[in-house]
Amino acid sequence: AQSVTQLGSHVSVSEGALVLLRCNYSSSVPPYLFWYVQYPNQGLQLLLKYTSAATLVKGINGFEAEFKKSETSFHLTKPSAHMSDAAEYFCAVSDSGGGADGLTFGKGTHLIIQP
Amino acid sequence: NAGVTQTPKFRVLKTGQSMTLLCAQDMNHEYMYWYRQDPGMGLRLIHYSVGEGTTAKGEVPDGYNVSRLKKQNFLLGLESAAPSQTSVYFCASTEIRANTGELFFGEGSRLTVL
Repeated sequence: AQSVTQLGSHVSVSEGALVLLRCNYSSSVPPYLFWYVQYPNQGLQLLLKYTSAATLVKGINGFEAEFKKSETSFHLTKPSAHMSDAAEYFCAVSDSGGGADGLTFGKGTHLIIQP
Repeated sequence: NAGVTQTPKFRVLKTGQSMTLLCAQDMNHEYMYWYRQDPGMGLRLIHYSVGEGTTAKGEVPDGYNVSRLKKQNFLLGLESAAPSQTSVYFCASTEIRANTGELFFGEGSRLTVL
């Protein structure tokens, strides 16, 4: 069974500062990894995904994430935060080996942008 | 562009009442999912379907039933609602398996059970 741990339920950064949201995974098979974002009162939308191609993955809105197998991590970064980045961010993992369908989500990190 | 539409968006039930949440997608996706979102818990998979006429249990299926009679619709039923089922419910669909593809989510249905 796979799982993800997101460190920090709330992260606060100043506008223009680096955004770093941490995600560590546990999986018995090579994982596929995802970051989804949820804006207030909306459903989730895909930011980026890692499916065993390049380890550095670029997503929408200037976000990127790096898959590090040695650290079992898939942290999300953005060089310069914008007020519009304020949202809930979810890391998710799935089984690349064709096991049960569906993603396993982390508990989420609420990103707060200070003006 | 409708995408994934959930109805109703809000509902208040009394303990023991029944209700059905409807999810409709217009993208001709094979795979559909029902998740619940609770504070500090993230999203948890309730049931899913890999095609018309199929359903399967997810992580937290107890107390819920589902049906996929038409490819575009995925219904989530609560036969006897309990306060523990107070949550925000999200439906999602994808063209290929969620394991590798992009999930498209509805805007959620907020259910309160008194």
